[in-house]
Order: sequence, then structure tokens, then C-alpha cells
Amino acid sequence: EVQLVESGGGLVQPGGSLRLSCAASGFTFSNSWMNWVRQAPGKGLEWVANIKEDGSEIYYVDSVKGRFTISRDNARNSLYLQLNSLRAEDTALYYCATNVYHFDYWGQGTLVTVSS
Amino acid sequence: DIVMTQSPDSLAVSLGERVTINCKSSHSVLYSSNNKNYLAWYQQKPGQPPKLLIYWASTRESGVPDRFSGSGSGTDFILTISSLQAEDVAVYYCHQYYSTPRTFGQGTKVEIK
Repeated sequence: EVQLVESGGGLVQPGGSLRLSCAASGFTFSNSWMNWVRQAPGKGLEWVANIKEDGSEIYYVDSVKGRFTISRDNARNSLYLQLNSLRAEDTALYYCATNVYHFDYWGQGTLVTVSS
Repeated sequence: DIVMTQSPDSLAVSLGERVTINCKSSHSVLYSSNNKNYLAWYQQKPGQPPKLLIYWASTRESGVPDRFSGSGSGTDFILTISSLQAEDVAVYYCHQYYSTPRTFGQGTKVEIK
């Protein structure tokens, strides 16, 4: 059974940092593109970033470029998102999801709240 | 960026009735080299992550009831629920994976009348 478990969310002040993690199991993680998708409270879905199987290709939505960094550790079956220079508008539930095309598996998400 | 626009934003339908949700993309998501539409549909129930229903515009994900179907090509797509069930109350999103950044429609909320 595929499982994706996000962690690392919390309350942080504007300008602060957080590191999100996504622990994967039940599939061959090293063979899968991975994504981060976020959802602000009561709002729709926004793709944030993705990373190729070996980490050689990385893409971001413009609003997070230069502030967020996606990475992975295939030996640990883990995906990461480093969030720096956080803004109020980054407040959201952050999901990890599999696949470079349609997102076939999603975690339950981890909540990031940016507030003073 | 490809903008995905869904209509309507919400709808209320009686149990057993047909539901139709439209999704329009600002650029074609049909890749001519393989004749595939890079378009998916998701269902999101309250407090849950999105669930993949349809991909390549019309391929039903394994385990998804056959009352759900997807159609369309190029820039215009439709998600149809042939006979609404109580468990189908949710928000539905279309999603293009033709180009980066990946983008989603704003969502369509389906309720029971």
C-alpha cells in the first residue's frame, strides 16, 4: 500500500523558516517524480514544486522561487521542502504527491501557518 | 502559465441526477506527438486530500466507480457523474500537466439538492 506521510509543519513568524518532510513507502520512491502541492485554508490547490527521480531536474512555481527548495533522499525514501523567508500568503496545508503527470497518490498534508 | 477555468463554481443536484462540470484551459493541453490530453480530474472531500479520478482526460483511475467519466480534447473538458450519489458530495478540480507550472482549476463544489 502506498503511503505518504508529511511532517514538519507548524506556526512560524513572517520571515522565518521551516523544513517539511514526506516519508514514502509502498512503492519504489527512487523511480518516481515527486511534488509538493499546497492548499490555503478554504481555497483551491496550488502546485509548488517537483523533482525528478534522481534530483537532476527541479521546477518551482514563480511565487516561491528563491525562497523554497525541494530535495530528496532516495536512500531514506524521503522528500523535503525547505521554506525560507515565509510570508502570510504561504499559510497552507502542504501535500506531497507522486508522479510527473497526474498525481496518483497524495499524503494527508502538514499545516504551515505564518503569523506574528 | 496555463490558466484552468472551471464552471460552474458550485451546483446542487438531486440524488440520481446527472452532474456536468466544465473545465477550459487557456492553451491546448493536447500533445500532438502522442495524441494525449494532459488533463486530470480530482475529487476532494472535506478534511481529505484530493483523490485522482480521471487522467489523460478520459481514463478512469482503478477503483473509481464507472458513473464518473471524462471527455473533451484540446482546451475544453467535461467531468460527468452519470447518477449522483450521496458520497459524491465534494469539490472537484481539473489539472493540467502539459506544462510547468502545473495548474489547477479553481474547483467546483457539488452538493445535494
